[in-house]
Amino acid sequence: EAQVTQNPRYLITVTGKKLTVTCSQNMNHEYMSWYRQDPGLGLRQIYYSMNVEVTDKGDVPEGYKVSRKEKRNFPLILESPSPNQTSLYFCASRLDPGGRGQPQHFGDGTRLSIL
Amino acid sequence: SQQGEEDPQALSIQEGENATMNCSYKTSINNLQWYRQNSGRGLVHLILIRSNEREKHSGRLRVTLDTSKKSSSLLITASRAADTASYFCATDGSERGNNRKLIWGLGTSLGVNP
Repeated sequence: EAQVTQNPRYLITVTGKKLTVTCSQNMNHEYMSWYRQDPGLGLRQIYYSMNVEVTDKGDVPEGYKVSRKEKRNFPLILESPSPNQTSLYFCASRLDPGGRGQPQHFGDGTRLSIL
Repeated sequence: SQQGEEDPQALSIQEGENATMNCSYKTSINNLQWYRQNSGRGLVHLILIRSNEREKHSGRLRVTLDTSKKSSSLLITASRAADTASYFCATDGSERGNNRKLIWGLGTSLGVNP
């Protein structure tokens, strides 16, 4: 089954404790992206990747890192989480970066609470 | 930056009724997409309409696009309780550049009462 898999689904942690949210897709998509979703602010792009070893900042990259060492995986790293990073996070993928008219496929989300 | 604006923000209807949601955007687009999000879950792609199309159908969904007014509407006919979800429009810009990220609206929350 074609899917985007995120882990964990839920995480409660404390300020400053490094964490990684994993994302994996099995559709051989080139383009992958991380979003955060907050009430009243909608979906905002954090980082995106057009292919292996090619990543770039989205609209709200501060406090986050990503890597793309393999095509299927695109982990989101919070080196020193802070409470303002409490949010619902989504990973998404698309066939290719110039793919107009191609839908994005989303994971089920990771609800992150930073205390 | 958010470009799409959906209205209404929330809509409550009875099962069997039709639901109409609207989306307005600000800049030129290549296509516009509608997604559904069930509570606490990821977004699911519903339908895409290109800038040179005016109307598109998929099952009980009907999407229209008016590029002169920079607006789109999503109609769900004969709604079911299972249609209860948030609905988002996303625009794919016509500008060059490889990111070509989708610009998202804030969504319409639809409740269908059985």
